[in-house]
Amino acid sequence: EVKLVQSGAEVKKPGESLKISCQGSGYNFLSYWIGWVRQVPGKGLEWMGIIYPGDSKTKYSPSFQGRVTISVDQSNNVAYLQWSSLQASDSAMYFCARSLDSTDNWFDPWGQGTLVTVSS
Amino acid sequence: DIQLTQSPSFLSASVGDRVTITCRASQGINSYLAWYQQKPGKAPKLLIYAASTLQSGVPVRFSGSRSGTEFTLTITRLEPEDFATYSCQQVRSYPWTFGQGTKVELK
Repeated sequence: EVKLVQSGAEVKKPGESLKISCQGSGYNFLSYWIGWVRQVPGKGLEWMGIIYPGDSKTKYSPSFQGRVTISVDQSNNVAYLQWSSLQASDSAMYFCARSLDSTDNWFDPWGQGTLVTVSS
Repeated sequence: DIQLTQSPSFLSASVGDRVTITCRASQGINSYLAWYQQKPGKAPKLLIYAASTLQSGVPVRFSGSRSGTEFTLTITRLEPEDFATYSCQQVRSYPWTFGQGTKVELK
C-alpha cells in the first residue's frame, strides 16, 4: 500500500524554527514528486511547492519562496518542510502529497496532515 | 499565476440530486486539471484528473468534462457520503493553483 505518514501536531512561538516530515512507504520514493499544500482552517488549499526526491529538484510558489524550505532525505524516504522563523500567519494544516505518477502532476495519495499552531 | 474560479462556492442539495460544479481558468490550461474531494478533518482525495479521467476506485457517479477553459465536475446522483468540499487544481504551469472550493451541503 502506498502511504504518506506525516509528523505530529506542533505548537510553536513566533520566531521559532520548525521542520515537519512526511514519510513515504510502499513505492519507490525516489521516483515520484512530493508536494506540500497549506490549508488555513476554514479556507481553501494553497500549493506551496514540490520536490523530486531523485535529484532534489524543487519548485516553489512565489507566495512561499524564501519563507519555507522543502527537502528530502533520500536514504530514509522522508520529505521535509521547514521554517527558520515562524510567524502567527503560518498557523495552518500542512499536507504532503505524492504525484500520481513519475511526472509532476496531480496528487494522490496525501498524508494525513500536520497542524501547526504559532502563538505567543 | 493562473487563477481558478469555482462556482458556486456553496451548494445545498438532497440525496439523489444531480450536482454540477464549475471551475473556470483565467487562461488556457489544456486538460491539466484535477478535482479533489475533502471531508472535514481529512486530507483531500483525488477524484478526477486530466479533466475527465476517473481515478481508480472512485464511483462512476462522478465525472469531469472540459469546454475550453471551463471545467465541470458532475455527480449524477448524490449519495450521503458525497457531502463534502470539492476543489479543482491546475498543473499546467507553475505555480500550481487551486480553486477556492465548493461546499456541498445537505438541503
